[in-house]
Amino acid sequence: GAGVSQSPSNKVTEKGKDVELRCDPISGHTALYWYRQSLGQGLEFLIYFQGNSAPDKSGLPSDRFSAERTGGSVSTLTIQRTQQEDSAVYLCASSISQGNYGYTFGSGTRLTVV
Amino acid sequence: QQQVKQSPQSLIVQKGGIPIINCAYENTAFDYFPWYQQFPGKGPALLIAIRPDVSEKKEGRFTISFNKSAKQFSLHIMDSQPGDSATYFCAASSETSGTYKYIFGTGTRLKVLA
Repeated sequence: GAGVSQSPSNKVTEKGKDVELRCDPISGHTALYWYRQSLGQGLEFLIYFQGNSAPDKSGLPSDRFSAERTGGSVSTLTIQRTQQEDSAVYLCASSISQGNYGYTFGSGTRLTVV
Repeated sequence: QQQVKQSPQSLIVQKGGIPIINCAYENTAFDYFPWYQQFPGKGPALLIAIRPDVSEKKEGRFTISFNKSAKQFSLHIMDSQPGDSATYFCAASSETSGTYKYIFGTGTRLKVLA
């Protein structure tokens, strides 16, 4: 696609429910990243996928968070038993390869836990 | 040691002024320093990036100045325009980390007055 596509753009969920956030990276981009942006804050690294390598999960804040990437393309970030502190914008980015070529970010999913 | 400290938190300049945003880091393994621009409701977009082998890089009206010994880098926006009003994030990463994840600053909200 022309850019990184994220869905849904907005999600309101009740505390304790599970949510799935989807990311479609740019075609041909082998590296995929998830970041979280809380209101007025910087971007917090969550997880990184590169090709068929084991993902770097070092940024996931708790075991309620998980992510997968199927077929080296689409990625899903799952948050189980959501808490109010999970409310944030979840940003996905992709990059053409390993190495510092700059990320292309999607517009994010704004998650609100009520 | 993984932090990137960004200042100021917010900045207001007149049209034509030269806003300067500063970032400082501790980790000497960082070797790639991008700047991102983010408009409300959008994901961050790569603006310009620098590696520590140069002290300055210009792209259009945007200039990065890099001081390796002081472990500081800054973004200058020449002839600023109201359309430059956005939030700016600096970041740093290390190729030696193997994951190319970025450590982001907390952002600077810039407003350029017409």
